[in-house]
Amino acid sequence: GEDVEQSLFLSVREGDSSVINCTYTDSSSTYLYWYKQEPGAGLQLLTYIFSNMDMKQDQRLTVLLNKKDKHLSLRIADTQTGDSAIYFCAEIPMNRDDKIIFGKGTRLHILP
Amino acid sequence: DSGVTQTPKHLITATGQRVTLRCSPRSGDLSVYWYQQSLDQGLQFLIQYYNGEERAKGNILERFSAQQFPDLHSELNLSSLELGDSALYFCASSVGGAAGNTIYFGEGSWLTVV
Repeated sequence: GEDVEQSLFLSVREGDSSVINCTYTDSSSTYLYWYKQEPGAGLQLLTYIFSNMDMKQDQRLTVLLNKKDKHLSLRIADTQTGDSAIYFCAEIPMNRDDKIIFGKGTRLHILP
Repeated sequence: DSGVTQTPKHLITATGQRVTLRCSPRSGDLSVYWYQQSLDQGLQFLIQYYNGEERAKGNILERFSAQQFPDLHSELNLSSLELGDSALYFCASSVGGAAGNTIYFGEGSWLTVV
């Protein structure tokens, strides 16, 4: 089946690293995404990783993929107040390349 | 600004009514997707069009319908509205299909059914 699971909330102190975790069920998924949704705004693509990669780094963002455990994580270094948002993990199953399956999102709260 | 435009931004209507949500994709994008976001269900894929043709259908109710016009804009029609249809409806677009292409989201249309 197609399912993406995320914890709903995460609180992190400003300046620390945030790690948002996600698990997915479809081992055939080809692409895995992280989207960010700020209050009152649409979804913004942060980064994505191909299923044949283990890690991808883009400035303060690091994505780790463990295919064996079907686990995806997003690490945000030096978390800032502007990182406060809902982060969605998403996958594209191999046999359904026409749609993206989203998790329910993790709300990241930044503590001063 | 993602380049995807949705109207209206906010809409309040009564149960039993019908509404139409409109989406203009990014220039050059042939695919349009509709998603429904509610607190309890998260982001649910409704339907996708590619160059005017329906390509994929998700959890779209029979009371809902959509189409993509020759100029590539799309409309989502919601009829016989129920309280549970209150949600944020997103339109998104991409050059081709979802795989391998960046999907850009609009800011959404907030629908409140009273």
